[in-house]
Amino acid sequence: GEQVEQLPSSLIVQEGASVLINCSYTDSASVYFPWYKQEPGKRLQFIIDIRSNMERKQNQRLTLLFDKKTKHLSLHITATQPGDSAIYFCSASLTNSAGNKLTFGIGTRVLVRP
Amino acid sequence: GGIITQTPKFLIGQEGQKLTLKCQQNFNHDTMYWYRQDSGKGLRLIYYSITENDLQKGDLSEGYDASREKKSSFSLTVTSAQKNEMAVFLCASIRGREQYFGPGTRLTVL
Repeated sequence: GEQVEQLPSSLIVQEGASVLINCSYTDSASVYFPWYKQEPGKRLQFIIDIRSNMERKQNQRLTLLFDKKTKHLSLHITATQPGDSAIYFCSASLTNSAGNKLTFGIGTRVLVRP
Repeated sequence: GGIITQTPKFLIGQEGQKLTLKCQQNFNHDTMYWYRQDSGKGLRLIYYSITENDLQKGDLSEGYDASREKKSSFSLTVTSAQKNEMAVFLCASIRGREQYFGPGTRLTVL
């Protein structure tokens, strides 16, 4: 089945710096890639997604890049703030319709120091 | 807006015990999920249900049962708790492509 790998497992940055999280997947049939964020003590929440027919998507300070050939994604967070401290999860799905099964990576723990 | 609630918030069990976790959503979403979150392992899908009375196994279904008797609720049963097991169980429902998560039930087995 699908496997999703995320690197690094954790990182620490100074407020204002940028963060890059890498994600790779194994199943070339995967077509949909949502990312979720889990702040300390809070629920997982959706932050950004991309479909396999796109190469780039931006949502404010988040930029998601997708390379179908290498089966690789990267999430770039600019101008980080302490509120960006969280665990970030990459995931992959074989479908982008309702009822999709997501395979998650192990998460990247980001700490932003003020 | 809507919300997903999970009960209990903390669950302490004994080895071999059968334990049930409950999830309720008032979004009127069709599809619901149960995940297990372990430190260093991310989220792994246990069961999901695309409608009332439907059950689909995930990658981690062995050792678990699930029940979806109403659209709004999805229960998960640990059939025999394993000694020293510690994990967080997350329930989610989906609208369109976005999954909405509950706050989790933290399980500790003594």
